[in-house]
Amino acid sequence: EPEVTQTPSHQVTQMGQEVILRCVPISNHLYFYWYRQILGQKVEFLVSFYNNEISEKSEIFDDQFSVERPDGSNFTLKIRSTKLEDSAMYFCASSWGIPGPPGTEAFFGQGTRLTVV
Amino acid sequence: AQSVTQLGSHVSVSEGALVLLRCNYSSSVPPYLFWYVQYPNQGLQLLLKYTTGATLVKGINGFEAEFKKSETSFHLTKPSAHMSDAAEYFCAVSDRWGGADGLTFGKGTHLIIQP
Repeated sequence: EPEVTQTPSHQVTQMGQEVILRCVPISNHLYFYWYRQILGQKVEFLVSFYNNEISEKSEIFDDQFSVERPDGSNFTLKIRSTKLEDSAMYFCASSWGIPGPPGTEAFFGQGTRLTVV
Repeated sequence: AQSVTQLGSHVSVSEGALVLLRCNYSSSVPPYLFWYVQYPNQGLQLLLKYTTGATLVKGINGFEAEFKKSETSFHLTKPSAHMSDAAEYFCAVSDRWGGADGLTFGKGTHLIIQP
């Protein structure tokens, strides 16, 4: 069964460093997303990406964050200068359409746990 | 804006007992509703969804949920809990009618199964 894969599963970085989280969405999907889950809190939407550009972003997704689909298969999230409060589980997801009608369900990866020290 | 409330951050049931996880949503438009499950060290897996039509929806692993518009609820149930059901469960609503792409999640309910 097709799945969304994320690498690495766990990343530790020093405050102020840049990190890149990587995702391979399901191949025929058109929408790509990043969500994050701070420990003990809800899963929060960060950004959606469609047709090679950001479709929507939340207020969390500030100038420190960027996304890219560099080669038609990978989808990356870059945090330019990490802060302690960026420590969270980051989930990548993909869907054929905006979640709602049948066939547009979002499929999630297993997540990357980012720890900023 | 949509919002989702899950009552009870932790729910503990005995193996074989009924599982009931509560979810209430707020929406000014017809909602699309989802339940996702997260097993330890794994990603979010879709359990079931409500789009249109039948208000009682069946999902994987014996779970089902009923959409009740009058109560703005989408509670998740399973008649008989199994040890393998121990996981974190998230209710989510699609914001697409509000022009948003993403899902709004509840805080999650950790289901504990007692032997």
